[in-house]
Amino acid sequence: DTEVTQTPKHLVMGMTNKKSLKCEQHMGHRAMYWYKQKAKKPPELMFVYSYEKLSINESVPSRFSPECPNSSLLNLHLHALQPEDSALYLCASSLPTTGFHGYTFGSGTRLTVV
Amino acid sequence: DAKTTQPNSMESNEEEPVHLPCNHSTISGTDYIHWYRQLPSQGPEYVIHGLTSNVNNRMASLAIAEDRKSSTLILHRATLRDAAVYYCILRDRWNNDMRFGAGTRLTVKP
Repeated sequence: DTEVTQTPKHLVMGMTNKKSLKCEQHMGHRAMYWYKQKAKKPPELMFVYSYEKLSINESVPSRFSPECPNSSLLNLHLHALQPEDSALYLCASSLPTTGFHGYTFGSGTRLTVV
Repeated sequence: DAKTTQPNSMESNEEEPVHLPCNHSTISGTDYIHWYRQLPSQGPEYVIHGLTSNVNNRMASLAIAEDRKSSTLILHRATLRDAAVYYCILRDRWNNDMRFGAGTRLTVKP
């Protein structure tokens, strides 16, 4: 299995809702990442997990809450989002020493906040 | 990550070679040069990476200048499927915090 699977592919949520994005990989990668991508812009790094521990938080608002329950799974919990949070959310994974290896990205979850 | 500079956009004709340039004058000795591409409505896709020597794989070739201050991604025969945004990224060998620049939007004309 050489894929990163993200679910759901599309999500529409209200500003008072709570929802979660899920990301799964079975490549034995021990680093996982969340990126946010607005239309016509490059992906922006949000969070990095290494060996199931949060190692980087790019000053992301607390309405985004990441979780890495095991080495194969990464979640992003969403609560009280704003319309400007509408974007494509991308998950990626890699071997931890990433200078030597590439990242594998999922196809993303397209989130619309109404 | 050290900064890279790429042209905003490039055009090529189908079945012709494409050379995508990247400048990285502040590259350090431990930085790898990575290339990713993002097709419409998909996540980024790893293309190739290298440190000092030129590299080839089934997707592309990477030519690295002798002083490592620039590199070129070479697609040997562009197809319509190669139309994408191509990102050149410097990755420190010990850090796992890859950040994207603006990239080059490649258009392939039939």
